[in-house]
Amino acid sequence: EVQLLESGGGLIQPGGSLTLSCAATGFNFSTYAMSWVRQAPGKGLEWVSTISGSDDRTYYGDSVKGRFTISRGNSKNTLYLQMNTLRAEDTALYYCAKDKGYGDYVFDYWGQGTLVTVSS
Amino acid sequence: QSVLTQPPSVSEAPRQRVTISCSGSISNIGSNAVNWYQHLPGKAPKLLIYYDDLLPSGVSDRFSGSKSGTSASLAISGLQSDDEADYYCAAWDHTLNGPVFGTGTKVTVL
Repeated sequence: EVQLLESGGGLIQPGGSLTLSCAATGFNFSTYAMSWVRQAPGKGLEWVSTISGSDDRTYYGDSVKGRFTISRGNSKNTLYLQMNTLRAEDTALYYCAKDKGYGDYVFDYWGQGTLVTVSS
Repeated sequence: QSVLTQPPSVSEAPRQRVTISCSGSISNIGSNAVNWYQHLPGKAPKLLIYYDDLLPSGVSDRFSGSKSGTSASLAISGLQSDDEADYYCAAWDHTLNGPVFGTGTKVTVL
C-alpha cells in the first residue's frame, strides 16, 4: 500500500526558513517523480514543485522560484522541501504527491499534509 | 488566481446525477489532458479521473470525465452522501509552464 507521510510544518516568522519532509512507503520511490502541492486557508490547490525520479531535475511554480528547493533522498525514501524567505502568503497545508508514472503531473497518491503558518 | 474556472458549488439529491464544469484555454485544457481530484478537507486528495476520461483502479464507475475544446466536465451519477467533497480539475499549462488546478467545486448531497 502506498503511503506518504509529511512532517516538518509549524509556525515560523516571516523571513524564516523551514524544511518539510515526506516519508514514502509501498512503492519503488526512486523511479517516480514527486511533487509538493499546497492549499492556503480557504483557497484551492496550488502546485509548488516537482522533482524527477531518475535524474533529479527540478521544477518550481513562479510564486516559490528562487526561495524553495525540492530534493529527494532515495536511500531514505524521503522527499524534502527547503523553504527560505518565507512570506505570509506561504501559509498553507503542504501535500506531497506521487506521480502516476508518466512524468506528466498526474498525482495518483497524496499525503494528508503538514501545516505551515508564517506569522509574527 | 487559477486559470481553470469551476462553479463554486453544486448540489443534488441522493441517487441523482451532477456535472461539474471546468473552463480553461488553448494553453491548458485545449492542448493537454485533464485530471480530476476529490478532496475532503483534512484528508489526502484522491485521483478520480486522468487523461480526460480514464478511471484509476479502485475508483467507482459512477465517476466519469469528458472534454471538448477548452472545457472539461466531471459527472457523478447515483449521488451518495460520501460524495460530498471538493472537486478540482487540473491540467498542464504551456504558458505558465506548470500544472494548474481549477478553482474547486463543493458538492453537496441534499
